[in-house]
Amino acid sequence: DAKTTQPNSMESNEEEPVHLPCNHSTISGTDYIHWYRQLPSQGPEYVIHGLTSNVNNRMASLAIAEDRKSSTLILHRATLRDAAVYYCIPLNDYKLSFGAGTTVTVRA
Amino acid sequence: NAGVTQTPKFRILKIGQSMTLQCTQDMNHNYMYWYRQDPGMGLKLIYYSVGAGITDKGEVPNGYNVSRSTTEDFPLRLELAAPSQTSVYFCASSYVGRGQEKLFFGSGTQLSVL
Repeated sequence: DAKTTQPNSMESNEEEPVHLPCNHSTISGTDYIHWYRQLPSQGPEYVIHGLTSNVNNRMASLAIAEDRKSSTLILHRATLRDAAVYYCIPLNDYKLSFGAGTTVTVRA
Repeated sequence: NAGVTQTPKFRILKIGQSMTLQCTQDMNHNYMYWYRQDPGMGLKLIYYSVGAGITDKGEVPNGYNVSRSTTEDFPLRLELAAPSQTSVYFCASSYVGRGQEKLFFGSGTQLSVL
């Protein structure tokens, strides 16, 4: 399984963008890169995923490096509701393996 | 639309007791999963199922059993509860389609074994 490296924590001010990096240098060519987040006392929820091209949805944008060894999740305008643990997960064989993730704190 | 429903939300067990954590999904997903999350840690996969009648072990299956008799239900059984099984348990389901999988999670069951 591909291993990932994410910073333990990041802080942001409300209404400012947040860029969450993820290193997945051992990812295989067919693994999609998934991002999930877990709000306090809740189960994880899907954020976004992609293979090679950058992706956008209503929650976030995903920028994938050309060599696919890293990606960045972008929250364009952080709100207090975005405070959560964010997990970067290369999808392998239909099973998601969650690491420790990045804890995002948003300051009002 | 209920999504993934887990019961109970909280439970306290004594060492050696048994219990079943219930999980039901109404999205007709073929894949279902059980994860556990210890305090401050990421989720670890216990068991998963690719369809009714088919189950397989994840990273940490010891001390647990599962069954999948219907598409909707995927119960997790603890036979002889131990303090090491104190954790939050999450059930999830997904539609599988070549990397397009999105997991939908339940709200969790907080289990304490004393």
